[in-house]
Amino acid sequence: DTGVSQDPRHKITKRGQNVTFRCDPISEHNRLYWYRQTLGQGPEFLTYFQNEAQLEKSRLLSDRFSAERPKGSFSTLEIQRTEQGDSAMYLCASSSPLPTGANIQYFGAGTRLSVL
Amino acid sequence: AQKITQTQPGMFVQEKEAVTLDCTYDTSDQSYGLFWYKQPSSGEMIFLIYQGSYDEQNATEGRYSLNFQKARKSANLVISASQLGDSAMYFCAMREGGYGGATNKLIFGTGTLLAVQP
Repeated sequence: DTGVSQDPRHKITKRGQNVTFRCDPISEHNRLYWYRQTLGQGPEFLTYFQNEAQLEKSRLLSDRFSAERPKGSFSTLEIQRTEQGDSAMYLCASSSPLPTGANIQYFGAGTRLSVL
Repeated sequence: AQKITQTQPGMFVQEKEAVTLDCTYDTSDQSYGLFWYKQPSSGEMIFLIYQGSYDEQNATEGRYSLNFQKARKSANLVISASQLGDSAMYFCAMREGGYGGATNKLIFGTGTLLAVQP
């Protein structure tokens, strides 16, 4: 049983460029989440998908951010016109309400973004 | 508003001893879930233990146990017999909503950095 996979692990980009991250959830999980973590802080929720539907978005998700989950499998998070303030670790998690109903979120290793 | 508070920025513990990491939470919901995650320097968040608000027994998972005191709104993590590999950042998190969770997002604390000394 493979865990949550994120690609790339590290991304360095220049301010103003667009970047895209990919997340492959645990195969039987229908729920997928994106979080952002800055240095010295806990992760902050960005958005949540149930299957292919994006059901919740944080106010942190500005117009420059867009997330998709076509066909309810992998997900992508795109940041357009990156700013230095976007530098952070971007974490993806997946979960299933079955079998226990606890809906435990399992995280990937994250993508560390540095905007120069 | 929902909030998780971890008041210990860092802690030391001797190898093979037990350690308690503090966590308090604030919610107006009657149904919620509490989680602890471990984050080593590699960055991955590793799930450790879960406690539902209606669970009467404290959760245990191997060397990890969760000391759940509902009236005090605390959910402290106890690690018994500490190992060098336990050195990491530890985060307490809360999900509002019952099983399945209508609001599925997790709210995290700021974490506690644990250093296990030989």
